[in-house]
Order: sequence, then structure tokens, then C-alpha cells
Amino acid sequence: AQSVTQLGSHVSVSEGALVLLRCNYSSSVPPYLFWYVQYPNQGLQLLLKYTSAATLVKGINGFEAEFKKSETSFHLTKPSAHMSDAAEYFCAVSAAGTASKLTFGTGTRLQVTL
Amino acid sequence: DAGVTQSPTHLIKTRGQQVTLRCSPISGHKSVSWYQQVLGQGPQFIFQYYEKEERGRGNFPDRFSARQFPNYSSELNVNALLLGDSALYLCASSLTPSGGPETQYFGPGTRLLVL
Repeated sequence: AQSVTQLGSHVSVSEGALVLLRCNYSSSVPPYLFWYVQYPNQGLQLLLKYTSAATLVKGINGFEAEFKKSETSFHLTKPSAHMSDAAEYFCAVSAAGTASKLTFGTGTRLQVTL
Repeated sequence: DAGVTQSPTHLIKTRGQQVTLRCSPISGHKSVSWYQQVLGQGPQFIFQYYEKEERGRGNFPDRFSARQFPNYSSELNVNALLLGDSALYLCASSLTPSGGPETQYFGPGTRLLVL
């Protein structure tokens, strides 16, 4: 079975500050990890995914995440926050052979202030 | 190219009624999955269909059912609606049903309110 835990349901940063959203996973098999973003009243958009090719994954809109097996983590970062980054962010895990089932965390709402 | 489309966008029903939600996948995608997102929570997996066959099912009661058509579009049916069924229902499509690193592309969702 797989699961993800997102620490911090709400994160607030100033515009231009570092964004760090935390995700820890649990998986009995090698995991595939995803970060999705959800803007108000919209569906989910893929930011980036880890597929074992490289531990540092770069995504869209300047986001990146690093897979750390020893820490079972896949934290999402962005060097400089922009107002347009305000949204809900979800970490998700899947494994080969589990059909197209994604197991999501509870989400982190990012607020960006001036 | 069009993304995943869902209809209707919003729906209001009363307890005990039945509802049908529709999804059209990205052209060329043969796998469709359904998720339920309750307010304040992450999406929960309901079903996956591939080539008109159910390939996966989440922990949902039998009141939930789905099907996939020859053109790979899909319907999600929920019978005997409960207040707790109020949620955003998301459809996702992918090229294959294999999971793992396969990217799922999500539609905008159907927001269901049960009164």
C-alpha cells in the first residue's frame, strides 16, 4: 500500500520568497511521485513527476522537487514565489501494476502575500 | 488539442436521487479514471476503465458504478445519493492503464451538491 503525507495544510510566503511544500511518502515498492496544482474551481494540473530517471526533477512554472529515498521525501520548491502561485498543491504516489491509481495527500494551500 | 472534458460543470440533486456524470478523454487516450474530491481533501480514486473493462476500483460502495464506451468516453453513475456524496468529481485520462510513471491528465471536474 502507498500513502503520502503533506505537512502543513496552509503555507504563507511573501512574494519573492522561497516556496517549500513538504511531502513524505510510504511505499512497499519503488514509488512514482507526482506534484499537481489546483487553482480555484479548476481541475488538477501536473507540475512535475519522479520516475526514477533523476532524483532532482524540474517542472513547469519554475518548480522543482528532489526525491530523497533515505528521507522518503519529495518536497516541492520554488526559489521565488509569485502571486500567481497561490493555489492548492497535491502530492501523489503511484506504483507500477496498480492500474492508473494515484494516491493523493490532503493538499497544501499556498498563500502568497505582497 | 482538446483536453479532458467533463459535463455538466455543476449539478444539484436531492438525497435519494441518481446522477450521471460524463467524461471525454484526450484524443488517443484509452484509459479513464474517476476520482472524488471532497472539500478540503485530496482526490480519492473511484474507478479506472480501459478498453471498456474495469481495471481498478477504490473503496466506494456499490452505489457507484461506471462504464466506458467504444469511443473511450465514460460515465460515472451514483445511485441513492447521500449528503456525503457532495464533492468535485474528477475524470482523468491516460494513454495506458499501467499506472506507475504514466501521467494522468485531469478534467475540470463536475461539482455535485446533494441537498
